Amino acid sequence: AQSVTQLDSQVPVFEEAPVELRCNYSSSVSVYLFWYVQYPNQGLQLLLKYLSGSTLVKGINGFEAEFNKSQTSFHLRKPSVHISDTAEYFCAVTPGGGKLIFGQGTELSVKP
Amino acid sequence: DTEVTQTPKHLVMGMTNKKSLKCEQHMGHRAMYWYKQKAKKPPELMFVYSYEKLSINESVPSRFSPECPNSSLLNLHLHALQPEDSALYLCASSDRGSETQYFGPGTRLLVL
Repeated sequence: AQSVTQLDSQVPVFEEAPVELRCNYSSSVSVYLFWYVQYPNQGLQLLLKYLSGSTLVKGINGFEAEFNKSQTSFHLRKPSVHISDTAEYFCAVTPGGGKLIFGQGTELSVKP
Repeated sequence: DTEVTQTPKHLVMGMTNKKSLKCEQHMGHRAMYWYKQKAKKPPELMFVYSYEKLSINESVPSRFSPECPNSSLLNLHLHALQPEDSALYLCASSDRGSETQYFGPGTRLLVL
């Protein structure tokens, strides 16, 4: 079975500071990895994904993530955050077949 | 275009009512999903349709009845719901051979 752990439930950060949202996963098989963002009262928007190939993945809105197979991690980073990045961020994995397994989410709060 | 649309945006219903949620995508995706999301929690998978056939039912109570009339449409019929069914209902779709799911904006349901 697969599981996802997002190590921080809340991350407060000042505007223009860098941020890292941590995600670790557990799986006995190869998985595909995703980060989604959810703004208040909205659906989930795909930020980026790792399916194969380069372990450094670039996404929308200046976010990037690095897949580390040995540490089973897929941390999300942004060098300089904006107020508009305030949202809930979900890490998710799937071994295939349609079942996305989500982490519990990290609430990113960007303060002026 | 990676747009999934959902109607209505908001729905209030009594425990004896019958209502339906609608989801539509015109990306040619052949898999469609229903998720339930409670506040401050990750989405929970309810149903998966693949090529218009129900492929996954995550032991959802029978008061929720999914329907896939064609490859672009997914409905969720609701009957005799309980107040604890109040949540954000999200629809998603993915292309055949792809594990990337694209989400709609959701329907916020309140059961009185």
